[in-house]
Amino acid sequence: SQTIHQWPATLVQPVGSPLSLECTVEGTSNPNLYWYRQAAGRGLQLLFYSVGIGQISSEVPQNLSASRPQDRQFILSSKKLLLSDSGFYLCAWTGQGAGELFFGEGSRLTVL
Amino acid sequence: GQQLNQSPQSMFIQEGEDVSMNCTSSSIFNTWLWYKQDPGEGPVLLIALYKAGELTSNGRLTAQFGITRKDSFLNISASIPSDVGIYFCAGQRGSNYKLTFGKGTLLTVNP
Repeated sequence: SQTIHQWPATLVQPVGSPLSLECTVEGTSNPNLYWYRQAAGRGLQLLFYSVGIGQISSEVPQNLSASRPQDRQFILSSKKLLLSDSGFYLCAWTGQGAGELFFGEGSRLTVL
Repeated sequence: GQQLNQSPQSMFIQEGEDVSMNCTSSSIFNTWLWYKQDPGEGPVLLIALYKAGELTSNGRLTAQFGITRKDSFLNISASIPSDVGIYFCAGQRGSNYKLTFGKGTLLTVNP
């Protein structure tokens, strides 16, 4: 069966520090991968998605970047965090052509 | 852009009551999905709908794909305290890789 795992689960970082959140999917190949952010207001905002290795589409201009170095690995990064980067970050995947999106456990980022 | 209007925004009910929530859009979708999110966790897929008019159940949950393809509803029967959480609808158009999400319905169940 397929599983998705992201880490770390919780992160507290000072303003200006770098960020790296990692996500891996097991049990499938060539998934579509996604990073979402969920602010306190509950809505899910799509940040990045990837349909293959090295292919990244950005949905909103921001202080973050994403990379996909391997087929089932998706990384969310920042060189210098801002206060506004705080939130709950969710990695997700779908199969090729499939509409069902499966989420990871989430990573809570607090920037102080 | 595409938007999904999800209502109600929040609900406070007594244990044992039935619950209904819905999503509407001005755009046609070919897939509707319903998720539940517990506090501090990622959303979990509850039901997926692929055909207009489709009615699908998952235990006490029932969801329907509207015949116009512009709406969907989710019903929960005989609610229990563990039903507490945020429920999201999501829609997909064509082969678009991106889902459109509603803003969620926060459900509180009083025992």
